Amino acid sequence: QSVLTQPPSASGTPGQRVTISCSGSSSNIGVNYVYWCRQLPGTAPKLLIYANNQRPSGVPDRFSGSKSGTSASLAISGLLSEDEADYYCVVWDDRLTAWVFGGGTKLTVL
Amino acid sequence: EVQLVESGGGLVQPGGSLRLSCAASGFTFRNYWMSWVRQAPGKGLEWVANIKQDGSEIYYVDSVKGRFTISRDNTKNSLYLQMKNLRAEDTALYYCVRDWGSGTPFDYWGQGTLVTVSS
Repeated sequence: QSVLTQPPSASGTPGQRVTISCSGSSSNIGVNYVYWCRQLPGTAPKLLIYANNQRPSGVPDRFSGSKSGTSASLAISGLLSEDEADYYCVVWDDRLTAWVFGGGTKLTVL
Repeated sequence: EVQLVESGGGLVQPGGSLRLSCAASGFTFRNYWMSWVRQAPGKGLEWVANIKQDGSEIYYVDSVKGRFTISRDNTKNSLYLQMKNLRAEDTALYYCVRDWGSGTPFDYWGQGTLVTVSS
């Protein structure tokens, strides 16, 4: 069982807004930055959000991140079919002295 | 262009050893922490280990402590993962990943090298 809890699946229709949650604790999300990665089928993961809510260059502003207390969320607006992928949150855990990944959320665009 | 190219994966028997390598280019390797992240077939991502720029700090996930050793050679822009006493549950695609250095850890990933532990 992952230290960070994500819903195993999420879905939406084209153009919709979907959110993916990531729940942690006081030793990880509560005190450190949250990062989000996206993994398209058969490819290596790619950084989507860093430092809770910052987008690397090239990532569209349809993607946004937020954090409150020991939880974080990734929001995707204007959903596109190519957004079908697995999404992972990742945080440094001070108690474990380790990076911890969420279990991943498989996003389906209906 | 940043490139991370892993090598060294393969089929190994339980209890065996394997050494993974990652050749880095396109950035100043000695300025970055580096990580190994793995993904078992059909499963999620699991961070394995990371190493500070000068090798003075190293961290591991509990499941590999005492069996895996991460190291680096900044003169060769290379990252390594020595794996011993391999178990079936170590079977995974192992990614070399750029870690801390510019405020954006996990910003570059290699394509991975597959390790299969089976008799």
